[in-house]
Amino acid sequence: DSGVTQTPKHLITATGQRVTLRCSPRSGDLSVYWYQQSLDQGLQFLIHYYNGEERAKGNILERFSAQQFPDLHSELNLSSLELGDSALYFCASSVDTGKNEQFFGPGTRLTVL
Amino acid sequence: GESVGLHLPTLSVQEGDNSIINCAYSNSASDYFIWYKQESGKGPQFIIDIRSNMDKRQGQRVTVLLNKTVKHLSLQIAATQPGDSAVYFCAENPTSGGSYIPTFGRGTSLIVHP
Repeated sequence: DSGVTQTPKHLITATGQRVTLRCSPRSGDLSVYWYQQSLDQGLQFLIHYYNGEERAKGNILERFSAQQFPDLHSELNLSSLELGDSALYFCASSVDTGKNEQFFGPGTRLTVL
Repeated sequence: GESVGLHLPTLSVQEGDNSIINCAYSNSASDYFIWYKQESGKGPQFIIDIRSNMDKRQGQRVTVLLNKTVKHLSLQIAATQPGDSAVYFCAENPTSGGSYIPTFGRGTSLIVHP
């Protein structure tokens, strides 16, 4: 158990819908990272938050957004969902923004029908 | 369990053998590298890291070797066990605006036969 929790574990929805994925980092970790893992793309970095502020963006679509709240939990919002958005979405946390290992949550499996 | 990749390189070994998983990285500015293990249905799990001022680092049953000249990283697992079966990713961490964002390789699937 990494100490990072993600909910829900599975999510099935239809095209055009909007979903919210939630992540609680390890106690004391200020950084939260979101990744998308699909069969053909591997693990892709989406966005990084540190202590409530966005710090870096990767290949994140405009239809996707995220935020980190004062209690440090984070939410990833996916809207206007397309079939190609079906993937595993992982959240990871680390103590700060430096060269530290990231602790990954168990992931949310999103299926868009 | 869930598959994390259908077209990954695969390494099959017998229990007790030593395993070597290789990774080529692309950014010569990368100065921090991590190996992760991902078991079916789970998130990646940190195994070992190495900084660019080192060539070798050892952990428990694992050794990481870094060759900066050819931008190559390897993970050696001694006395491989069935529980080591998983997908292994290397990640390189170049500096990016003060955030260390790892770039993951596609991964190698390790299959350990009892």
